[in-house]
Amino acid sequence: AQSVTQLDSQVPVFEEAPVELRCNYSSSVSVYLFWYVQYPNQGLQLLLKYLSGSTLVKGINGFEAEFNKSQTSFHLRKPSVHISDTAEYFCAVRPSGGSYIPTFGRGTSLIVHP
Amino acid sequence: NAGVTQTPKFRILKIGQSMTLQCTQDMNHNYMYWYRQDPGMGLKLIYYSVGAGITDKGEVPNGYNVSRSTTEDFPLRLELAAPSQTSVYFCASSSQGTGGLGEQYFGPGTRLTVT
Repeated sequence: AQSVTQLDSQVPVFEEAPVELRCNYSSSVSVYLFWYVQYPNQGLQLLLKYLSGSTLVKGINGFEAEFNKSQTSFHLRKPSVHISDTAEYFCAVRPSGGSYIPTFGRGTSLIVHP
Repeated sequence: NAGVTQTPKFRILKIGQSMTLQCTQDMNHNYMYWYRQDPGMGLKLIYYSVGAGITDKGEVPNGYNVSRSTTEDFPLRLELAAPSQTSVYFCASSSQGTGGLGEQYFGPGTRLTVT
């Protein structure tokens, strides 16, 4: 079984400032990692994913995340946020083999102020 | 491709009523999922299906039923609605196995209120 912890339920930040949304996971097997974004009143959409290879993963809208196996983390970063980045962000993990059922974190609400 | 579509977008039910939430995907994905989302609680898996004719319970299946007669459709049935089922419901699909990397595609959601 695996679990995901998103350490911050809410992250307020000013426009054009950098941001980091934290995600830690636990698993007894190797995993794939995902970040999804949910804009108000919409479904989730994939932001980026880590499957294998380079630990720095780039996604849409200027976001990137780094997989750190020793710290079991997959933090999401953006160097300069925009008002339109205001949304709920979910980290998810699933085993790389066997069960294809992902486990989601509780989400982090990113609030960008002008 | 329309992706994953859900109907209705909104619904108000009285306690004890029943309804079916519809979900259709046109990507020929084998896996389909139903989640509920409550404020601050993330996504909870209700049921999932690995292919037509095969369904299994998730984390919170009580009060719900599903069927998967075709690859495209995965309806969620609520019997005897209760206020605790007030939530936003999301359907998702993914392609697993050869060529499928497992990311999920989500529908726009159904906002259900039970009063």
